[in-house]
Amino acid sequence: GQNIDQPTEMTATEGAIVQINCTYQTSGFNGLFWYQQHAGEAPTFLSYNVLDGLEEKGRFSSFLSRSKGYSYLLLKELQMKDSASYLCAVMDSNYQLIWGAGTKLIIKP
Amino acid sequence: IAGITQAPTSQILAAGRRMTLRCTQDMRHNAMYWYRQDLGLGLRLIHYSNTAGTTGKGEVPDGYSVSRANTDDFPLTLASAVPSQTSVYFCASSETSGNTGELFFGEGSRLTVL
Repeated sequence: GQNIDQPTEMTATEGAIVQINCTYQTSGFNGLFWYQQHAGEAPTFLSYNVLDGLEEKGRFSSFLSRSKGYSYLLLKELQMKDSASYLCAVMDSNYQLIWGAGTKLIIKP
Repeated sequence: IAGITQAPTSQILAAGRRMTLRCTQDMRHNAMYWYRQDLGLGLRLIHYSNTAGTTGKGEVPDGYSVSRANTDDFPLTLASAVPSQTSVYFCASSETSGNTGELFFGEGSRLTVL
């Protein structure tokens, strides 16, 4: 079957750096997405990786290793507003999105 | 402001009742989707539409139906609601199906079936 694994919850300190990991096993691969979802709100797009390597976008970076079925989202200079759930999703060979359950990130002052 | 509008925002419903969740987008996106989100689980696709006039079944379609009469509207109907359909429902759209672009989500409809 298809599976996306990410930690359920993480805690970090304001101003610090945190890395959220995602491992996947899917039928084919057409890219990996990260979305941010604040409590009670809709998910919003953060990043898309289809080739190996690091994509940087401001304080957020996303890394992909297709051979290892692994990605991470790196958040730098953490702010209180970064408290949210981070959803990893993989597009399979049928262009269907398979979603992880999300990682709830708690930022402490 | 362009985007996706869902209604109602929340609803409490008696089991056995019929319910339609409305979804409208003004971005002229071809593809639209309905997901449900439950605690501890990833988003699960209920139904999708690649373009107006076509629909398809997702991962968890049983008990739900959809229609896509035009580009903008994609309502989701629960013919006879059951408690297991208690969830948060998100409508989403993308420019085309099968592409690798981002999804745009509505704000969600929280449905409680008693």
